[in-house]
Amino acid sequence: KAGVTQTPRYLIKTRGQQVTLSCSPISGHRSVSWYQQTPGQGLQFLFEYFSETQRNKGNFPGRFSGRQFSNSRSEMNVSTLELGDSALYLCASSLDRSEGYTFGSGTRLTVV
Amino acid sequence: SQQGEEDPQALSIQEGENATMNCSYKTSINNLQWYRQNSGRGLVHLILIRSNEREKHSGRLRVTLDTSKKSSSLLITASRAADTASYFCLTGTYKYIFGTGTRLKVLA
Repeated sequence: KAGVTQTPRYLIKTRGQQVTLSCSPISGHRSVSWYQQTPGQGLQFLFEYFSETQRNKGNFPGRFSGRQFSNSRSEMNVSTLELGDSALYLCASSLDRSEGYTFGSGTRLTVV
Repeated sequence: SQQGEEDPQALSIQEGENATMNCSYKTSINNLQWYRQNSGRGLVHLILIRSNEREKHSGRLRVTLDTSKKSSSLLITASRAADTASYFCLTGTYKYIFGTGTRLKVLA
C-alpha cells in the first residue's frame, strides 16, 4: 500500500512569507501528527489531528496552524516565516496513536 | 520540550558487535516506541512496547521497559553497517514526544 506522502519535498521561502505543507496519510489512517526537526531542538511535536479535529498541540506560536480534511489529508501552515522556521517538517499517520506511526519523507523548508 | 532523554548521544561500534541505547522519560506512558532515521529523512518505526510489557523482541532488536524507573533500552544484536542511523524513542499517552536520539555508527 502507498506510504505517507508529503509535498513538496523541498521549499525555499523568504522571511515574512507564508507556506503550506501537505500530507496524505496511509489509506484508512485517521490520525495525522506533525513534527518539526532542527539540529538544535531535535524533534518537536507540532500538533495531532484525528477525524478532522485537533487532538493535541505542541508549544509553538500561533503562526503554526494545521487542519485535516474529511479524507484525512492534512495541511500545516506557517505564516510570517522566520529564519528559525527552517527545518525538516515530518508528518506521521496511524490508525490510532497507540499503534505506532508511519512517517513521510518530510518537507525540508529553508527560510532565507 | 523533550519527553525523553537518550544516552549515549553517540555510539560507534564494529560490525558484528551489539549496540545498546537507553531512553529515560518523565511522565506516565501508554507505550514506548523506537524509530530509526537515516540521513535526516523520514523515521522508520522499529518496535512498540506497551506499558504493561517488560520485554519485546523483533528480529535482531530487543527492547526492555521499566516503568518504575521510567526507562527503556534498545539492543541491536550483531550490528551491520546498514544499522548506521539515529535512533529515537517516542513516548506519551495523549501527546507523543520524541527523545533526543542516539547517533549510531557501525564500522565495517
